[in-house]
Amino acid sequence: QKEVEQDPGPLSVPEGAIVSLNCTYSNSAFQYFMWYRQYSRKGPELLMYTYSSGNKEDGRFTAQVDKSSKYISLFIRDSQPSDSATYLCAMNTGFQKLVFGTGTRLLVSP
Amino acid sequence: GAVVSQHPSWVICKSGTSVKIECRSLDFQATTMFWYRQFPKQSLMLMATSNEGSKATYEQGVEKDKFLINHASLTLSTLTVTSAHPEDSSFYICSAKDVTYSGANVLTFGAGSRLTVL
Repeated sequence: QKEVEQDPGPLSVPEGAIVSLNCTYSNSAFQYFMWYRQYSRKGPELLMYTYSSGNKEDGRFTAQVDKSSKYISLFIRDSQPSDSATYLCAMNTGFQKLVFGTGTRLLVSP
Repeated sequence: GAVVSQHPSWVICKSGTSVKIECRSLDFQATTMFWYRQFPKQSLMLMATSNEGSKATYEQGVEKDKFLINHASLTLSTLTVTSAHPEDSSFYICSAKDVTYSGANVLTFGAGSRLTVL
């Protein structure tokens, strides 16, 4: 079993839809959770960072962490074609190596 | 936030030659940098941790003689793919700890380098 599981997609939605991206993990010691966005042939860029459980909102993006279920989510409201990218979840216990999900490819059609 | 610059963004070379990729931290010092490899439609695979002034730490299964890492200064790490072969063709990405986040190992990534070995 992988430490972090993420559906690779692709996930296709129309413009304006609400998108839900998810990861599950097995290591209960993970405390720090990140979402990275990666456009084709580019390096990942940090989108959201959350410590422990709870929600965090930044514009159209909301990150949720449920440590009791070992489940994290990224919601994108009013999705735009420019949101089309691969979204990678990542997490660690602190200063240890980041563990990445496989990434979910999102396609937002106009 | 922290910015990491990576060069070149793409390179094509002949089999048997060596290729060097540079990774620079801009406006901040990075005592540790990380080198990743990414195959098409796959996630990031950590290759090695580059430590300024000391030897790199390689992940299991990564050939240290094939992938030479040098971290000679606090702002520059280099990855040299020696005697490259077509199976070394991949997307290589460097990263450094984002100093904006003091409490955890949050990474900022370079734009990546696409290597094609003919």
